[in-house]
Amino acid sequence: GESVGLHLPTLSVQEGDNSIINCAYSNSASDYFIWYKQESGKGPQFIIDIRSNMDKRQGQRVTVLLNKTVKHLSLQIAATQPGDSAVYFCAEKGHNAGNMLTFGGGTRLMVKP
Amino acid sequence: DVKVTQSSRYLVKRTGEKVFLECVQDMDHENMFWYRQDPGLGLRLIYFSYDVKMKEKGDIPEGYSVSREKKERFSLILESASTNQTSMYLCASTVGYNEQFFGPGTRLTVL
Repeated sequence: GESVGLHLPTLSVQEGDNSIINCAYSNSASDYFIWYKQESGKGPQFIIDIRSNMDKRQGQRVTVLLNKTVKHLSLQIAATQPGDSAVYFCAEKGHNAGNMLTFGGGTRLMVKP
Repeated sequence: DVKVTQSSRYLVKRTGEKVFLECVQDMDHENMFWYRQDPGLGLRLIYFSYDVKMKEKGDIPEGYSVSREKKERFSLILESASTNQTSMYLCASTVGYNEQFFGPGTRLTVL
């Protein structure tokens, strides 16, 4: 398959364990954050988003945590499955950025059976 | 579900050729974007459009142009393809202050 990124940090977890993927952002004016999942050879898929007036949001098996004090975003995946193997990256939107997103470099998640 | 489609999944062109990459979305989104994605560099914005016939430069517009004649279609044009434009090209669309929906990508190789 195609490689999305050859120089990405990699997180390797055992199937069934929980995964935590981290993202640091630099713009303190960012007020909207998104996590995307990108499987090999495919376009990015939306996972979950959070606005800056929240510090936690939960979806199905996923939780996003936002710490505005240290400008840190994390994605937690519960009971990681082989189908979760992909590149995950965060994106942020500044308050005055219109609809433009700034993307992080991504983390490759590898799930071991 | 929002659907963003791109005209080709894989494309091989020669240096100097004019290349058209087409993107179509079916959800009446005002905003459309073209990115390129390269190993180690992540997603970089080439051009975006807020409305028909409107376009704005992104971070790396050099060597590219765009066309938005209809709301649902946003075309990326490489006027004279070069080998350093070999990349994965991703189109996205959005409405309002929400997430961007991406197409499947076009892997362009310029020989």
